[in-house]
Amino acid sequence: EDKVVQSPLSLVVHEGDTVTLNCSYEVTNFRSLLWYKQEKKAPTFLFMLTSSGIEKKSGRLSSILDKKELFSILNITATQTGDSAIYLCAVEAGNTPLVFGKGTRLSVIA
Amino acid sequence: NAGVMQNPRHLVRRRGQEARLRCSPVKGHSHVYWYRQLPEEGLKFMVYLQKENIIDESGMPKERFSAEFPKEGPSILRIQQVVRGDSAAYFCASSPVWQSTGELFFGEGSRLTVL
Repeated sequence: EDKVVQSPLSLVVHEGDTVTLNCSYEVTNFRSLLWYKQEKKAPTFLFMLTSSGIEKKSGRLSSILDKKELFSILNITATQTGDSAIYLCAVEAGNTPLVFGKGTRLSVIA
Repeated sequence: NAGVMQNPRHLVRRRGQEARLRCSPVKGHSHVYWYRQLPEEGLKFMVYLQKENIIDESGMPKERFSAEFPKEGPSILRIQQVVRGDSAAYFCASSPVWQSTGELFFGEGSRLTVL
């Protein structure tokens, strides 16, 4: 059975800190890994990663994939209170729908 | 452009009643996916539909749950004879083609509470 595991499940940091969120996976016929940010509303797309070692970057957020070790990390530098959210990792494998991890709940306090 | 629209946003039902959740995909998207999110859990796939067809319902409970995406109108997720364990947030997502392009566009979810 395809599996996506995120760690930590929750994290509390102070504004300005840098955080690293982890996502490991075990799937058959890996195609891509996606990161979403979920505040109190709809999950919103952050990154899609398909190739190892190529960093995707958007402002203070960046992500990289390691297909050999089967994991990805999401980095957020200089965190702000607006970064508080649940960060979801999802993996696309074969022709099956996206498989999501349980998410990491990030709380950034002033 | 309007995103994925779900309604109702909140729904309260008593055990044994029926719940109907609606999803209008992004204009031009013909692929719809329903996911369920329990507290402290990730999104669990339920069903994938194209217009008038159920493509994959492997994540949907065999009893009491059904989904449709008619030629005209929104996709509907129907839960009959609801039980307390059905309380969850139900998210709909859409894409213009099969998700293999990567990004799904999510609605804001319908939160079902069963008393």
